[in-house]
Amino acid sequence: GENVEQHPSTLSVQEGDSAVIKCTYSDSASNYFPWYKQELGKGPQLIIDIRSNVGEKKDQRIAVTLNKTAKHFSLHITETQPEDSAVYFCAAGRVFQGGSEKLVFGKGTKLTVNP
Amino acid sequence: GAGVSQTPSNKVTEKGKYVELRCDPISGHTALYWYRQSLGQGPEFLIYFQGTGAADDSGLPNDRFFAVRPEGSVSTLKIQRTERGDSAVYLCASSPNRGGTQYFGPGTRLLVL
Repeated sequence: GENVEQHPSTLSVQEGDSAVIKCTYSDSASNYFPWYKQELGKGPQLIIDIRSNVGEKKDQRIAVTLNKTAKHFSLHITETQPEDSAVYFCAAGRVFQGGSEKLVFGKGTKLTVNP
Repeated sequence: GAGVSQTPSNKVTEKGKYVELRCDPISGHTALYWYRQSLGQGPEFLIYFQGTGAADDSGLPNDRFFAVRPEGSVSTLKIQRTERGDSAVYLCASSPNRGGTQYFGPGTRLLVL
């Protein structure tokens, strides 16, 4: 089955700096790679996702890149702000015409943005 | 519109008791997923429904865990003879028929004493 590895487990940056979180996956059949942000006591919130037919996607300060050959995908946050502090999870799964199958999550990265 | 809701938000029970956790998906979403999240870990898949039927229940850890979705909307996760190791946050997500994006609820924090 699918296995997702996520690094680093903790990341501390200064406000305004960039943050990068990296994930690898094992199942070449996976075609959907979402990123979730989870604040303390809350459920995961989708922040960006990418499908395997594109290599990069950007939404304001957040971007995700995907290397299908190497089975790597990364989250890039630019101009970080204190409110970006949270735990971030990558995940991998398969989507098809009628919906999506289960997601397999990484162990998470605790991001701290210091003012 | 309203997101995924889960009740109760917290549940404390004693070892050996039976518990039910409820999930109300986003209106119109055909797919519903249950995950379990232990402290410091990512969510782990339990079961998912397409409509009323369980499309994949491969993540259920043993036969003490069961889930239903009788009318294709609300789902209930049922845990029999609870054990201390069942303590975790139980997350529910729903997804529309097209697109596949999974939207999570706030979770139910289960503590088995």
